[in-house]
Amino acid sequence: QKEVEQDPGPLSVPEGAIVSLNCTYSNSAFQYFMWYRQYSRKGPELLMYTYSSGNKEDGRFTAQVDKSSKYISLFIRDSQPSDSATYLCAMSALGGSARQLTFGSGTQLTVLP
Amino acid sequence: GAVVSQHPSWVICKSGTSVKIECRSLDFQATTMFWYRQFPKQSLMLMATSNEGSKATYEQGVEKDKFLINHASLTLSTLTVTSAHPEDSSFYICSARDLGAAGRGETQYFGPGTRLLVL
Repeated sequence: QKEVEQDPGPLSVPEGAIVSLNCTYSNSAFQYFMWYRQYSRKGPELLMYTYSSGNKEDGRFTAQVDKSSKYISLFIRDSQPSDSATYLCAMSALGGSARQLTFGSGTQLTVLP
Repeated sequence: GAVVSQHPSWVICKSGTSVKIECRSLDFQATTMFWYRQFPKQSLMLMATSNEGSKATYEQGVEKDKFLINHASLTLSTLTVTSAHPEDSSFYICSARDLGAAGRGETQYFGPGTRLLVL
């Protein structure tokens, strides 16, 4: 079993739809949770950063973390064609000097105009 | 803020040659940088952790003599693919942690990637 599970998709939605992207994880030591967006042939771009449980909103994006269920989500409201990309969840634990990130496999999203 | 650059963005080389990729943090100091490799439609695979002023820590299965990493300053890390072969063709991405970012010290900021093609 992978430490972080993410549905690879692909996911296609019409413009304006609400998109829900999810990851589950098994390591209860994870405390920091991130969502990255990666366009084709580009490096990942940080979208959201959350520490511990709770919700965080930034514009059309909302990140949710439920540590009791080991489940994180990213919601995209009023989705746009420019949101078409691969979305990667990532997380890290306290402790250790390197603080490596553990990534999900990524979900490929296409927003159709 | 928190911009990471990579150079070159793409490179084509002959088998047996060495290729150096640079990763720079432009507006912050990075004591730790990371090097990843990514194959098409796959997630990022961590190759090594680069620490300023010390030896890099390589992940299991990554040949340290083939992928030489140097982190000589707080803003620059380099990855040299030595004696490159076609199977080394991939997308290489670096990242850096911005410890100075209030409340975001755990995040990593990624460079745009370097596409390597070995003929």
